[in-house]
Amino acid sequence: QSVLTQPPSVSGAPGQRVTISCTGTSSKSGPVYHVNWYQQVPGMAPKVLIYGDTNRPSGVPDRFSASRSGTSASLAITGLQAEDEADYYCQSFDSGHWVFGGGTKLTVL
Amino acid sequence: EVQLVESGGGLVQPGGSLRLSCVVSELTFTTYEMNWVRQAPGKGLEWTSYIDGGSSYIYYADSVRGRFTISRDNAKNSVYLQMNSLRDDDTAVYYCATKVPGTNYFNQWGQGTLITVSS
Repeated sequence: QSVLTQPPSVSGAPGQRVTISCTGTSSKSGPVYHVNWYQQVPGMAPKVLIYGDTNRPSGVPDRFSASRSGTSASLAITGLQAEDEADYYCQSFDSGHWVFGGGTKLTVL
Repeated sequence: EVQLVESGGGLVQPGGSLRLSCVVSELTFTTYEMNWVRQAPGKGLEWTSYIDGGSSYIYYADSVRGRFTISRDNAKNSVYLQMNSLRDDDTAVYYCATKVPGTNYFNQWGQGTLITVSS
């Protein structure tokens, strides 16, 4: 079963670019298990930011992007804004289980 | 927009039971695969259980298997989580979440309901 590892925290000033890594995603020769990303503002339910490794749902600003390579994935946020301060989680699937990373707290300085 | 509304949370003693409900405002409820995801206070997200549209496939996380039972009533657009033998570490906000078949992500979430297991 896959274990997803994220840095506990990242920070950046308004307007800057930050990235959040997610390592340990399953990599198999069979079905490819996509990585998804969620944003959770304190006190609120999570919201999907990226699905299928790189796809943004409608309504998610294009400041948010993601990439995936083998056993790692990365979320990038450009033009950082105060409203981006939140917890971010990567998530994937492996062996009948849906797995979340431990979460990364983004602080906008 | 699809709405998910959980209910049934509250305070329960260790070893006790509780049943959570989640109603989904979606006419095509049967097309959605339903999940329960929990979040302990100050902690990250943890998937706990899954049920497909026809209740043919059910999966559980190791941490709840044998104690929790997920079910659904498509006539009522509802999914349930029966939680037995509750432990202190089951204390969490429980979210129901939908998943579109063929994908592996949770596209819609409820607002969550808090379960506190304490004596």
